[in-house]
Amino acid sequence: AQSVAQPEDQVNVAEGNPLTVKCTYSVSGNPYLFWYVQYPNRGLQFLLKYITGDNLVKGSYGFEAEFNKSQTSFHLKKPSALVSDSALYFCAVRDSYGQNFVFGPGTRLSVLP
Amino acid sequence: GAGVSQSPSNKVTEKGKDVELRCDPISGHTALYWYRQSLGQGLEFLIYFQGNSAPDKSGLPSDRFSAERTGGSVSTLTIQRTQQEDSAVYLCASSLEAPSVGTEAFFGQGTRLTVV
Repeated sequence: AQSVAQPEDQVNVAEGNPLTVKCTYSVSGNPYLFWYVQYPNRGLQFLLKYITGDNLVKGSYGFEAEFNKSQTSFHLKKPSALVSDSALYFCAVRDSYGQNFVFGPGTRLSVLP
Repeated sequence: GAGVSQSPSNKVTEKGKDVELRCDPISGHTALYWYRQSLGQGLEFLIYFQGNSAPDKSGLPSDRFSAERTGGSVSTLTIQRTQQEDSAVYLCASSLEAPSVGTEAFFGQGTRLTVV
């Protein structure tokens, strides 16, 4: 069975500092990994994904994520945080057999001015 | 439309009543998903439709919940005899499966259901 863990309920970071939101996963076969962001009272917006190829993937709004197969991790990063990045972030996985997307519990990011 | 459309955006219903939630996926997307999100919480998988295959209903919490997808496009999630614990935001998503399952899902804005 697929599963996703986001070990931090809340991440606080000062504006301008680098941010990391952690994600680890468990899946049979090759993983397809995704990050989504949710602003208040909105649906989820796609940020980036890892399918194959380079372990470092770049996405929207300056976010990037690094796939680490040995650690089964897919941490989300941004070199310099903005107050507007404050939101709820979800990591998701699906396997190559095409099952539904399994989401982590979410991490609330607060960027302090 | 350009994105996934859900209606209504808000629904308040009395306990014991039936409700229907509608989802219009992005045109051409063969896969459609329903998730439930309680206030500020994670996403709970409900059901997954993929093309003409039998849907994956493994996430439906009880037999009061059902969903159908007509003509491979519009989907309706029905909750019978609603209970207060059904109150949540119901999110619909669609994705283009072929030729790869590595495509991302696009989400609608959700339907906020309140059972009073």
